[in-house]
Amino acid sequence: AQSVTQLDSQVPVFEEAPVELRCNYSSSVSVYLFWYVQYPNQGLQLLLKYLSGSTLVKGINGFEAEFNKSQTSFHLRKPSVHISDTAEYFCAHHERSGGYQKVTFGTGTKLQVIP
Amino acid sequence: DTEVTQTPKHLVMGMTNKKSLKCEQHMGHRAMYWYKQKAKKPPELMFVYSYEKLSINESVPSRFSPECPNSSLLNLHLHALQPEDSALYLCASSQEAGSFYEQYFGPGTRLTVT
Repeated sequence: AQSVTQLDSQVPVFEEAPVELRCNYSSSVSVYLFWYVQYPNQGLQLLLKYLSGSTLVKGINGFEAEFNKSQTSFHLRKPSVHISDTAEYFCAHHERSGGYQKVTFGTGTKLQVIP
Repeated sequence: DTEVTQTPKHLVMGMTNKKSLKCEQHMGHRAMYWYKQKAKKPPELMFVYSYEKLSINESVPSRFSPECPNSSLLNLHLHALQPEDSALYLCASSQEAGSFYEQYFGPGTRLTVT
């Protein structure tokens, strides 16, 4: 069973509008959650991560995410998007498998910023 | 230098060819990874190397053969591939394999098998 779920495959939003990309995780897994971004024809880049501590995590490019244990969610938010934010966003779970780090990605959400 | 480089950027090969993908990092990372990413899908882990030793093989077919000649280099040797192996192959590295350090990804090699 998948440990992270991204329900929205595509999210269109107008430039300078706020956006929320949703991610839910399985409550059975240890909670080491990450958001990665993949720009067209590029590899993945870390936006932010939650390992422990403060539930509000701030990342690069003005993004932030809030870890919500009661709702088993780790939604990504940005108050005002730019055209350059158009990309694929992956929620990911890092876990230990046989003593090594293993990353399981959600199915991704394509953010399309409309001018 | 926080860059992971991959060569070539694009590769077209026939089913009888032998080719290799290369990955390099100079961040002193001791863990390196190969992922396969099909179009409109998330990356799927193939192999994990830790301190130049193969630590995880996610049941990858033997036509894919990884190699880690030293701590900075990671190769993926390809032989007798199938058209369904066409995908973006991503290399990544992290400081260690056993902790929750972020992974740094290369831009990928887009492989087409004809």
